[in-house]
Amino acid sequence: EVQLVESGGGLIQPGGSLRLSCAASEFTVSGNYMSWVRQAPGKGLEWVSVIYSGGNTFYADSVKGRFTISRDNSKNTLYLQMNSLRAEDTAVYYCARSTAVVAAFDYWGQGTLVTVSS
Amino acid sequence: SYVLTQPPSVSVAPGKTARITCGGNNIGSKSVHWYQQKPGQAPVLVIYYDSDRPSGIPERFSGSNSGNTATLTISRVEAGDEADYYCQVWDSSSDHQVFGGGTKLTVL
Repeated sequence: EVQLVESGGGLIQPGGSLRLSCAASEFTVSGNYMSWVRQAPGKGLEWVSVIYSGGNTFYADSVKGRFTISRDNSKNTLYLQMNSLRAEDTAVYYCARSTAVVAAFDYWGQGTLVTVSS
Repeated sequence: SYVLTQPPSVSVAPGKTARITCGGNNIGSKSVHWYQQKPGQAPVLVIYYDSDRPSGIPERFSGSNSGNTATLTISRVEAGDEADYYCQVWDSSSDHQVFGGGTKLTVL
């Protein structure tokens, strides 16, 4: 069964750093298009970042320069390194898979909550 | 950047048909995907590539896309369909994925 399991969320002070992980099962992260999508409390979905199967990466303007997406093929795991965190980064972060750049997100993780607060 | 516009809320009586729109500039030239999200849960794909249904999604869910509007149609609405619904496209000009603001479907 295809599964995505996020971890690494928690409470962090403004300006701090956090790394989220997303472990995949029954498919290869490197062979797909893997995204991070976040949802602030009571708000809608916001796409954050993607890493293509070929390795290209793209970011939403709101996180560009602060967040870095990466993957470890040996661990079949996706990461999101988040630096210079702000209160507005507080959200549930989901990892999601698509099989092509125009394809839908067909599998999602359960989400991990990041709270940025002093 | 590309913008998708959804009505904040739609209400429908059980057994009736709900239509949720997603507006965007020439959205008919893009592939639109729709997600259902219930409170405390991750989103679930209900329609992909404008009108295809993943396995396990009831035939009551259908989609269309033309001109500047894509539409998710839910026929014979049930109480269990009450949820937030989001449309999504890929914006080739920015290489960004874009979500609509979401529509809360209320079953009266």
